[in-house]
Amino acid sequence: DTGVSQDPRHKITKRGQNVTFRCDPISEHNRLYWYRQTLGQGPEFLTYFQNEAQLEKSRLLSDRFSAERPKGSFSTLEIQRTEQGDSAMYLCASSPPPGQGVSNHYEQYFGPGTRLTVT
Amino acid sequence: DAKTTQPTSMDCAEGRAANLPCNHSTISGNEYVYWYRQIHSQGPQYIIHGLKNNETNEMASLIITEDRKSSTLILPHATLRDTAVYYCIPALNAGGTSYGKLTFGQGTILTVHP
Repeated sequence: DTGVSQDPRHKITKRGQNVTFRCDPISEHNRLYWYRQTLGQGPEFLTYFQNEAQLEKSRLLSDRFSAERPKGSFSTLEIQRTEQGDSAMYLCASSPPPGQGVSNHYEQYFGPGTRLTVT
Repeated sequence: DAKTTQPTSMDCAEGRAANLPCNHSTISGNEYVYWYRQIHSQGPQYIIHGLKNNETNEMASLIITEDRKSSTLILPHATLRDTAVYYCIPALNAGGTSYGKLTFGQGTILTVHP
C-alpha cells in the first residue's frame, strides 16, 4: 500500500499523559498536513509542513502540541499533558509539489487517522 | 475564506444520479471549489475541483454556475459505497497566501439506499 499511513490507529491514554502520533506520507509528496476532527464535525487544520519546514500553525495548536518533520519524510505530532478535550481523530494528509501553472496543494491524500481517547 | 452552505443530508436510490448542491456566494475570483468526501471511519478523499468550467473525472462531475456562486457535484450512478459526508470547500489558488489549508464545513450526509 503506497498511501498515507498513520500509527497508531487508536490510542487510549489517561489525562495528563503525553502521546505521540506518527504519519508517513506518500513518498514523493513534499507537503504534509495535520488536521483534528471531533465527533460530528469536519476536520480542522492544525499545521502544515513543506519538506522539513513548518510553515503554518493553527491557533488550535496550543503550547501542549508540537509537530515535527525532521527529515522531510515522516512527521510526528506530540500532545503533552493530555486533556479530555484532546479526544478526537487526528488526521494526516500529504500532497505533491504543485504542477505547472496551477497549484494542486489542495488535492490532499489523507491517512486513516489516529483516534485518541483521553480518560 | 468563502462561506459555504450545504444541505445537512440527502438520500439517493442506488443506480440513480446524486446531485449535491453547494452555495458559495462569497467566493472570490481566484478561489477554486474543491469537493471531498469522507466515508465512515476513514480519512477524507479528494473527489474533484474546478474554477469556472465544468469538470468531469472518473469519480464525478462538477457543475459551477456562471456567476460562480454555487456548484453541484454529480455522482452519475450512485452505489451503496458512495454513502458518505460530502464537503464543498472553496480554496485560494497558488497566488494566495494560504499553504493548502482546507477549511471543512459540516458537509452533506449522503445516504444511498438499495
